[in-house]
Amino acid sequence: AQSVTQLDSQVPVFEEAPVELRCNYSSSVSVYLFWYVQYPNQGLQLLLKYLSGSTLVKGINGFEAEFNKSQTSFHLRKPSVHISDTAEYFCAARRNYGQNFVFGPGTRLSVLP
Amino acid sequence: DTEVTQTPKHLVMGMTNKKSLKCEQHMGHRAMYWYKQKAKKPPELMFVYSYEKLSINESVPSRFSPECPNSSLLNLHLHALQPEDSALYLCASSQDLRRRANVLTFGAGSRLTVL
Repeated sequence: AQSVTQLDSQVPVFEEAPVELRCNYSSSVSVYLFWYVQYPNQGLQLLLKYLSGSTLVKGINGFEAEFNKSQTSFHLRKPSVHISDTAEYFCAARRNYGQNFVFGPGTRLSVLP
Repeated sequence: DTEVTQTPKHLVMGMTNKKSLKCEQHMGHRAMYWYKQKAKKPPELMFVYSYEKLSINESVPSRFSPECPNSSLLNLHLHALQPEDSALYLCASSQDLRRRANVLTFGAGSRLTVL
């Protein structure tokens, strides 16, 4: 069965510092990968997606992620975080033409002043 | 218009009440989803509709009854709920289940409290 792992449940970081949120997936076939962000009391918003092509994907709000097939990883990075980046971040995967999106458990990013 | 609109934002109901959650999108998407999200947890899939037909039911109790009247609307009818059903209910839509570039667009959610 396909699964998505986010090893860090919480990541505290100071403002203007870089951050990396880790995501690993397990699958024996190609997958499509996504990062979503959820601010308090809101729905999920798409940050970026990997469907094919360049393994370095750029998204909104200065975030980027790198698809690494050999390590089955899709880590999210930002070179300099802001207080407003404080939120829950979910990594998700979907198999080719699969109907179901599998979400990781989430990582709580707390940006400290 | 790139939004998924959910109403109501908050709902409090007793265990004997009947209520409905509503979801609307005008992006021309042909797949619509209901997810349930408990605090500090990822969304859990409940139902998927594709071209207005139920495609996936993740073994959801019958006290939750989905309905897709047309390609823009999705309802979730609630009856005889339990306190443990209290959660954030998220609606989402995507272009087409058959397309590779099938990406979820979420609404803001309806927060349900069952007393």
